[in-house]
Amino acid sequence: QVQLQESGPGLVKPSETLSLICSVSGGSISSSSYYWGWIRQPPGKGLEWIGSIYYSGSTSYNPSLKSRVTISVDTSKNQFSLKLNSVTAADTAVYYCARNYGDYLGPGDYWGQGTLVTVSS
Amino acid sequence: DIQMTQSPSSLSASVGDRVTIACRASQSIYRYLNWYQQKPGKAPKLLIYVASSLQSGVPSRFSGSGSGTDFTLTISSLQPEDFATYYCQQSYIIPQTFGQGTRLEIK
Repeated sequence: QVQLQESGPGLVKPSETLSLICSVSGGSISSSSYYWGWIRQPPGKGLEWIGSIYYSGSTSYNPSLKSRVTISVDTSKNQFSLKLNSVTAADTAVYYCARNYGDYLGPGDYWGQGTLVTVSS
Repeated sequence: DIQMTQSPSSLSASVGDRVTIACRASQSIYRYLNWYQQKPGKAPKLLIYVASSLQSGVPSRFSGSGSGTDFTLTISSLQPEDFATYYCQQSYIIPQTFGQGTRLEIK
């Protein structure tokens, strides 16, 4: 059974960088069948796709966030990570990592439990 | 970006009811449409992918249909555990986008 777990600071100051890690267990992040993505959900609101990565390091980002986002992968640790810089209160959200089947746009068949990140001074 | 619009935004129903949720895309997405269920404080759960394929482990009372711009999720006989928020998602073009959600409540 594949499991994903997000980790990182729950509080980030405005203008600083939000950094999260997603640890994958029960399966290899280097599988050729899957891509790995980040999605966020502001409190009480809907879902927004941030971006996805393949184990080779190839990435795809939401154009609305592309200038501030970096997603990377560490196959030796079976982890991938998210960095979002120059954060504001609008970036306050629950951040989920997920496994996408097939390609960057594949359905998210496994998700982490989510981690709330609050942007506040 | 492709806009996804769900209707209704909220819905009250009773156990045993048949329920249909609609999702409309702002342009054709062929059959690249997925449905998720989300319960409070939990991550979304994949129910249906490519419009009508049932994800492994999902009860058969859930079904999806549609193509092009109009899609539906149907729950044939509501169970107590089905009261949740449902989201559609287009996976045709980047960025993948979600509907605003349909909250299914107990009548």
